[in-house]
Amino acid sequence: GQQLNQSPQSMFIQEGEDVSMNCTSSSIFNTWLWYKQDPGEGPVLLIALYKAGELTSNGRLTAQFGITRKDSFLNISASIPSDVGIYFCAALRRSGNTPLVFGKGTRLSVIA
Amino acid sequence: DTAVSQTPKYLVTQMGNDKSIKCEQNLGHDTMYWYKQDSKKFLKIMFSYNNKELIINETVPNRFSPKSPDKAHLNLHINSLELGDSAVYFCASSHGTGSGEQFFGPGTRLTVL
Repeated sequence: GQQLNQSPQSMFIQEGEDVSMNCTSSSIFNTWLWYKQDPGEGPVLLIALYKAGELTSNGRLTAQFGITRKDSFLNISASIPSDVGIYFCAALRRSGNTPLVFGKGTRLSVIA
Repeated sequence: DTAVSQTPKYLVTQMGNDKSIKCEQNLGHDTMYWYKQDSKKFLKIMFSYNNKELIINETVPNRFSPKSPDKAHLNLHINSLELGDSAVYFCASSHGTGSGEQFFGPGTRLTVL
C-alpha cells in the first residue's frame, strides 16, 4: 500500500530553536499536507501544498512540496512551548475518491 | 461553535457488546470520514461518505457499519466488539471528495475490556 515515511519519530528541542521534519514516499502524490495533533484532540490542518516545488508559510511554519512530488518538509522557526504535539504529514495520490494517507507522526517536545 | 463534534468522548465496554459513535458537522461539508488511530498514533481511514453515499471502505471488518442519515451526520456502529477495536476513532469532514483539507472531531476513545 501507499506509505509515507516520516522522520524523525520524535524530537526534544529547546525553546527558541528551529525544527525540521520531513516525509518521503516511493509514490508520487499530487497534494501534500501537514497536520498537528494536540493531546486529547483531533488533528488540525496547518499547511496544504498543491504544486511541486511550492513553498508555503503560515506564521512560523514553512512547508515545501518536493519537486519530485515524492516528499515534503515542514520547518518551525523559533519554537515555543505551545508547539508541543504530534505533527503528521499527509498526502493525496490524486483527486477523486482516494484516501488521505498519513505519516506516522513526529512527536515534538519543547523544553522551556 | 463546534465544527465537528463526536459523542461520546470516552466509551468503555465489554468484549462482545455492540456500541455506536455519533458524529455531526456544522460546516456545510458534503463529505465525512471515519478514521482509526491506534496506540502508536497511526491514523488510518476507515470509511468516507459523500452526500450520504459510501465512497471509501478501506477493508474494515463487517462488524463496523457506518450510517449517514444526512450530509451533516455520520455515525459508526460496531457489533461484537473485540479487544483489538480499542483505539481512538476520529470523525472528519471536508468540502468535496478529493480534498485533503479535512476538519477533525475531538475523537472518541474506545476501550474494550
